[in-house]
Amino acid sequence: QVQLQESGPGLVKPSQTLSLTCTVSGGSISSGSYYWSWIRQPAGKGLEWIGRIYTSGSTNYNPSLKSRVTISVDTSKNQFSLKLSSVTAADTAVYYCARSAVAGTGKFDYWGQGTLVTVSS
Amino acid sequence: QSALTQPASVSGSPGQSITISCTGTSSDVGGYNYVSWYQQHPGKAPKLMIYDVSKRPSGVSNRFSGSKSGNTASLTISGLQAEDEADYYCCSYAGSSTWVFGGGTKLTVL
Repeated sequence: QVQLQESGPGLVKPSQTLSLTCTVSGGSISSGSYYWSWIRQPAGKGLEWIGRIYTSGSTNYNPSLKSRVTISVDTSKNQFSLKLSSVTAADTAVYYCARSAVAGTGKFDYWGQGTLVTVSS
Repeated sequence: QSALTQPASVSGSPGQSITISCTGTSSDVGGYNYVSWYQQHPGKAPKLMIYDVSKRPSGVSNRFSGSKSGNTASLTISGLQAEDEADYYCCSYAGSSTWVFGGGTKLTVL
């Protein structure tokens, strides 16, 4: 059973960089069959796809966040990470990591439990 | 890339059927058969209920079904149960290797 677990600071100051890591267990992030995504949800609001990475390091980002987002992968640790720069209060949200298949289907089938990041001074 | 449009809320009585709509454009919902639906209970992570418009993952009740017509996808829940009360989100491939979610629908079981 694949499990994903987000980790990182719960409080980030405005204008600084938000950094989170997702640790994958129960399966290899290098399997080549999946993309690994970050998705966020402000309190009381909907879900927003941030971006994804493939085991090769190839990335795709939400156009609205692209200038501030970097997603990276560390296959040796079975982890992938999110960096979001120049954060504001609008970036306060629960951040989820999730898995999706590479081809032939469109679904986020495994999710982490989510981690709340608050942007405040 | 705009969020898909869902009704803010729907409600139904136990045993009834309800349908939640998800409206996009020809660049997302209408252009691909990669629409999925997620159920989210308060404080929990979203759970995959329907994918590729109408496919059900193993373990999901057959009371949940999905369909699509043009730029609008729909999730139908039949035989409504108290445990179905939750928020529901649709999601679609939006081209150029990107994904877009709907704003979410709160389902109340009366």
